[in-house]
Amino acid sequence: DAGVIQSPRHEVTEMGQEVTLRCKPISGHDYLFWYRQTMMRGLELLIYFNNNVPIDDSGMPEDRFSAKMPNASFSTLKIQPSEPRDSAVYFCASSPDRGSYGYTFGSGTRLTVV
Amino acid sequence: EDQVTQSPEALRLQEGESSSLNCSYTVSGLRGLFWYRQDPGKGPEFLFTLYSAGEEKEKERLKATLTKKESFLHITAPKPEDSATYLCAVQASGTYKYLFGTGTRLKVLA
Repeated sequence: DAGVIQSPRHEVTEMGQEVTLRCKPISGHDYLFWYRQTMMRGLELLIYFNNNVPIDDSGMPEDRFSAKMPNASFSTLKIQPSEPRDSAVYFCASSPDRGSYGYTFGSGTRLTVV
Repeated sequence: EDQVTQSPEALRLQEGESSSLNCSYTVSGLRGLFWYRQDPGKGPEFLFTLYSAGEEKEKERLKATLTKKESFLHITAPKPEDSATYLCAVQASGTYKYLFGTGTRLKVLA
């Protein structure tokens, strides 16, 4: 298995532009998680899905952020419009259950908003 | 408020010099405590899950233990390849969300 695949690995964009991050979870994993990592705040859960349905989006910072999972093999995290404070590493993770046996994380997307 | 605190923030060891990393937690009931390893430029990699006080898990040179207030990650005779950031996370009862600590950056010198 190729693991959790995220794209792009790096994204540099100008303030105000739309940014879309992509994730392909491990086949058969029913749970998908989006995390954001910064030096100041560490890893923060943004949203998670179960069987393609958003379960908890209380970590999404504001309406500029949205996430979708149109099918079991693909999810997107969109930021529109982007702001410099959105600069961070965004991780996608998947799990066969609610994480009792750990998550498998992707390699992340490093987002820089200038 | 649920909280996870890791110490020290950074640790430098000589190869073969054993030590322990600490994860203190405050949650309203613990569903599970998790240890992850993160290498630069990569996502966290799952190491262990601990569920109840007194439980221990081992993997190569790593051993994780759990009490009612904290967990320790013991590293025995570390090697340079053990250099990484070690993250602790908890799941509180009533939720399946992880709460991560900010990690301990470990550097093992040859």
